[in-house]
Amino acid sequence: RKEVEQDPGPFNVPEGATVAFNCTYSNSASQSFFWYRQDCRKEPKLLMSVYSSGNEDGRFTAQLNRASQYISLLIRDSKLSDSATYLCAVHYAGKSTFGDGTTLTVKP
Amino acid sequence: GAVVSQHPSWVICKSGTSVKIECRSLDFQATTMFWYRQFPKQSLMLMATSNEGSKATYEQGVEKDKFLINHASLTLSTLTVTSAHPEDSSFYICSAHIGPVMNTEAFFGQGTRLTVV
Repeated sequence: RKEVEQDPGPFNVPEGATVAFNCTYSNSASQSFFWYRQDCRKEPKLLMSVYSSGNEDGRFTAQLNRASQYISLLIRDSKLSDSATYLCAVHYAGKSTFGDGTTLTVKP
Repeated sequence: GAVVSQHPSWVICKSGTSVKIECRSLDFQATTMFWYRQFPKQSLMLMATSNEGSKATYEQGVEKDKFLINHASLTLSTLTVTSAHPEDSSFYICSAHIGPVMNTEAFFGQGTRLTVV
């Protein structure tokens, strides 16, 4: 079993749709959690950190459920520019483990 | 602006040659940097942790004699792919953290697309 698992998608949604991604992790001692966005042939860039209390940034909301060991990312009112691959990352013992990424395509 | 700079962004080399990739932290010191490899449509796979002033820590299955890592200063880590083969063709990317790795996000270099012919 992978340490971090994501639904690979792809998710193809129309503009304006709401889409949610989940990411599960196996190590209950994981210390911190992040969502990154990676555009094709580019490096990942931080989208947002994930806290148990939730984290909202405009149209993006991230949640952490430690009991069930998953994190989620909700994107509301999808834009064409949201098309990318979204990676979750879990930190433990000084290292980051990334999910395989979920590809989102937003269509007109 | 970028906080981690990686060079070159792409390189094509012949089989059997060596390629050096540089990763620099800009305006901050990084005692630890990370090297990843990413194949198409796959995630980032950690290859090794680069430690300033000491030996790198390699992940299981990564050949330390093939992927040489040097972290000679607090702002520079280098990855040398020795005796490159076509199967080494991949996207190599480094990262560093401003602050403790435990609870801070990773800043990535721009990545290096290596093609071995």
